[in-house]
Amino acid sequence: KAGVTQTPRYLIKTRGQQVTLSCSPISGHRSVSWYQQTPGQGLQFLFEYFSETQRNKGNFPGRFSGRQFSNSRSEMNVSTLELGDSALYLCASSPIGTGRTSGNTGELFFGEGSRLTVL
Amino acid sequence: AQSVAQPEDQVNVAEGNPLTVKCTYSVSGNPYLFWYVQYPNRGLQFLLKYITGDNLVKGSYGFEAEFNKSQTSFHLKKPSALVSDSALYFCAVRAHAGSARQLTFGSGTQLTVLP
Repeated sequence: KAGVTQTPRYLIKTRGQQVTLSCSPISGHRSVSWYQQTPGQGLQFLFEYFSETQRNKGNFPGRFSGRQFSNSRSEMNVSTLELGDSALYLCASSPIGTGRTSGNTGELFFGEGSRLTVL
Repeated sequence: AQSVAQPEDQVNVAEGNPLTVKCTYSVSGNPYLFWYVQYPNRGLQFLLKYITGDNLVKGSYGFEAEFNKSQTSFHLKKPSALVSDSALYFCAVRAHAGSARQLTFGSGTQLTVLP
């Protein structure tokens, strides 16, 4: 079974631009979460989508947004890029979302990440 | 709020020696606990998890972790370290129920196994 696929793997943008990152979850997984990883802040939760609905959101400004499509693929968008947005953006999928109770242990399966550099 | 502390930024151990990477957590109610490993320029790989039951959990690549409820700890261990175990290790927690259902990660511990 193919793993979580993130594109692009690497990209360079300048301040003020916007960027869209894509994530294809493991087949059959309906929940997609996004995390930002930086040396200073570590791994920080951005948001989670399940069945095309945002179920959970971390403490990030409105410039960070996302969506999920009917095939469970997800995109995240960052507008008006700032230098501090340079990071590794990780997508993770799981069979069911965090809003469910029965049998949901929260185990996540991560992609290789998209490394964004803002100049 | 839930949180994870990994008190050591860096752990060095000689190949063949046992290794321990420490993790303590804070969460309301019973926890789900996880260990992940990250190699350079790669995503996180799942190692093991504690859900309930036996306090000693065995995972991938010979790793195990011991859940200690009274000390709110979930330390990662391996009896004999390999050079290839050198990587960044993350502990994570989430609550069984409630609003904070996403995984919260620790700051990570860089493990270096010396040949």
